[in-house]
Amino acid sequence: QKEVEQNSGPLSVPEGAIASLNCTYSDRGSQSFFWYRQYSGKSPELIMSIYSNGDKEDGRFTAQLNKASQYVSLLIRDSQPSDSATYLCAVKPGGGADGLTFGKGTHLIIQP
Amino acid sequence: DTGVSQNPRHKITKRGQNVTFRCDPISEHNRLYWYRQTLGQGPEFLTYFQNEAQLEKSRLLSDRFSAERPKGSFSTLEIQRTEQGDSAMYLCASSLPLGGQETQYFGPGTRLLVL
Repeated sequence: QKEVEQNSGPLSVPEGAIASLNCTYSDRGSQSFFWYRQYSGKSPELIMSIYSNGDKEDGRFTAQLNKASQYVSLLIRDSQPSDSATYLCAVKPGGGADGLTFGKGTHLIIQP
Repeated sequence: DTGVSQNPRHKITKRGQNVTFRCDPISEHNRLYWYRQTLGQGPEFLTYFQNEAQLEKSRLLSDRFSAERPKGSFSTLEIQRTEQGDSAMYLCASSLPLGGQETQYFGPGTRLLVL
């Protein structure tokens, strides 16, 4: 069973601080990694994709990938109340499979 | 680019009835995916199409579920003899793989309630 693990939270962060979200995955053959944001009752919205080890920055968001440790993280700088949502980590498994495997998501609350 | 669209947005049905959902992908996207999401869980992959060919199906996709993408454009997902356990959000996503990279974009989903 190929798994993606996330702390379900809730993770509470003061407005303006850095929110750090973590994800581990079991399939060493995985090559593509994604962070989606999902507001309550809505569908997932892509935040970041990352394919190689290291950091990838896009505005206030930074994704970090460490394939040796099978670990992906998302940092949100200058957190805003509008960042309050569930963040889903998704992994495209290796072995030719194309459907994404999602974690259960981390519920993030930004406190004004 | 109008995004992925799904219809209906909500569906309430009685156990044992058949339901059909439609997904229209982003134009020119050749891949189309179906996922199911229940409360407190991440989306679970069901099946996907590349153009009109159905290339992968999850073990979650029981015999009561069937999906089609007859002309490589829109897709339908049918659930026969619905059960209460089928109640979930059904999500469609589309993508256009380029240079070994692929990003899936999700539609708004169809929320199904089976009574």
